[in-house]
Amino acid sequence: NAGVTQTPKFRILKIGQSMTLQCTQDMNHNYMYWYRQDPGMGLKLIYYSVGAGITDKGEVPNGYNVSRSTTEDFPLRLELAAPSQTSVYFCASSYLGGQGNQPQHFGDGTRLSIL
Amino acid sequence: GENVEQHPSTLSVQEGDSAVIKCTYSDSASNYFPWYKQELGKGPQLIIDIRSNVGEKKDQRIAVTLNKTAKHFSLHITETQPEDSAVYFCAASKFGTGNQFYFGTGTSLTVIP
Repeated sequence: NAGVTQTPKFRILKIGQSMTLQCTQDMNHNYMYWYRQDPGMGLKLIYYSVGAGITDKGEVPNGYNVSRSTTEDFPLRLELAAPSQTSVYFCASSYLGGQGNQPQHFGDGTRLSIL
Repeated sequence: GENVEQHPSTLSVQEGDSAVIKCTYSDSASNYFPWYKQELGKGPQLIIDIRSNVGEKKDQRIAVTLNKTAKHFSLHITETQPEDSAVYFCAASKFGTGNQFYFGTGTSLTVIP
């Protein structure tokens, strides 16, 4: 029972490099999310998706891109890495339930440093 | 958008004592309030949640209360144990917004044996 799986767990990038953070879930959830977590700042939503082919900006989308070609996968792309993007990135998923909003299930994060 | 404030940012209690963490929210349309526990190096894990049609919910040593009029909700942990030491986050959400959550800034709880 894997849940939400994120790869890689750690990465160091140089300024200006690009990379893709991978996220996959095996719970058949419609909704998926990307957050960044900075010390003392809680979790800030970068992008989210309500289903395959549909993505929307969250609170802090600048410098990132996403795609959702399948229900299971929701990769996050950094095109030109900047020091301000040093953070811990979390992917989450949830389903659409009859009672209203539902819990989000989180992966264990990708720790990204940009030097 | 929604603004969630969480207090205190750090909390130390003796083992066996109770711990209370408080959150306020700004959007009166918010109707779902989950609490997450995050251990070092891990992702947040849901520990309890409450919907706006309920004033209190309990699960063993953990309880959450909601005051819709005052727009605040609280997490209560009784008989604390060292394994309760972690960072706790509250969040608020409303239906029809892609299930977006707005998180508080977290409370680092330390239970002293």
